[in-house]
Amino acid sequence: SQTIHQWPATLVQPVGSPLSLECTVEGTSNPNLYWYRQAAGRGLQLLFYSVGIGQISSEVPQNLSASRPQDRQFILSSKKLLLSDSGFYLCAWSFGLSGSVEQFFGPGTRLTVL
Amino acid sequence: AQKVTQAQTEISVVEKEDVTLDCVYETRDTTYYLFWYKQPPSGELVFLIRRNSFDEQNEISGRYSWNFQKSTSSFNFTITASQVVDSAVYFCALSEGNTGGFKTIFGAGTRLFVKA
Repeated sequence: SQTIHQWPATLVQPVGSPLSLECTVEGTSNPNLYWYRQAAGRGLQLLFYSVGIGQISSEVPQNLSASRPQDRQFILSSKKLLLSDSGFYLCAWSFGLSGSVEQFFGPGTRLTVL
Repeated sequence: AQKVTQAQTEISVVEKEDVTLDCVYETRDTTYYLFWYKQPPSGELVFLIRRNSFDEQNEISGRYSWNFQKSTSSFNFTITASQVVDSAVYFCALSEGNTGGFKTIFGAGTRLFVKA
């Protein structure tokens, strides 16, 4: 069976500091990978998705970036955090096959920027 | 452009009541997928169901049932005999076929409180 891991679970960072959130998937190959942000009391906003190593599509212009150095590893980064970057960050994966589009989510990282 | 509207922000029911969560969607694509996800207090989204645009058959899974009506662009979710463990935020989502399923749009969510 497949599992998805995210860390850290919670993070408190000062404004202007860097960020690195990591997500890994086990039990599948060539997954599609996604980063979402959920602001307090809001829905999910797609930030990035990736269909393969080194392939990143950005959905929302911002000071965040994503990388996929390995098939089952997805990293969300920032060089300088803003207050508005606070939120709940969710990583998700889906099978890399057409017609199978449901996504499976990790436990999330709660980021507070002070 | 695709859009998902969940007009009910919060719903509060007493245990054993039936409750329906509404979802209305907009899309210009003829092939699309609809989803429901559950987000319990722990925060992790749990996939509940996917419906393809060419399959309007309603579905029942235990106490959960889904009513998909293309004529009204709705995909409503009913919980029968609700339980406290059903308390969560529920999201309806839409993915258009021409995006390969990558660009899934989520509604704002409906927070369900089930009181004992």
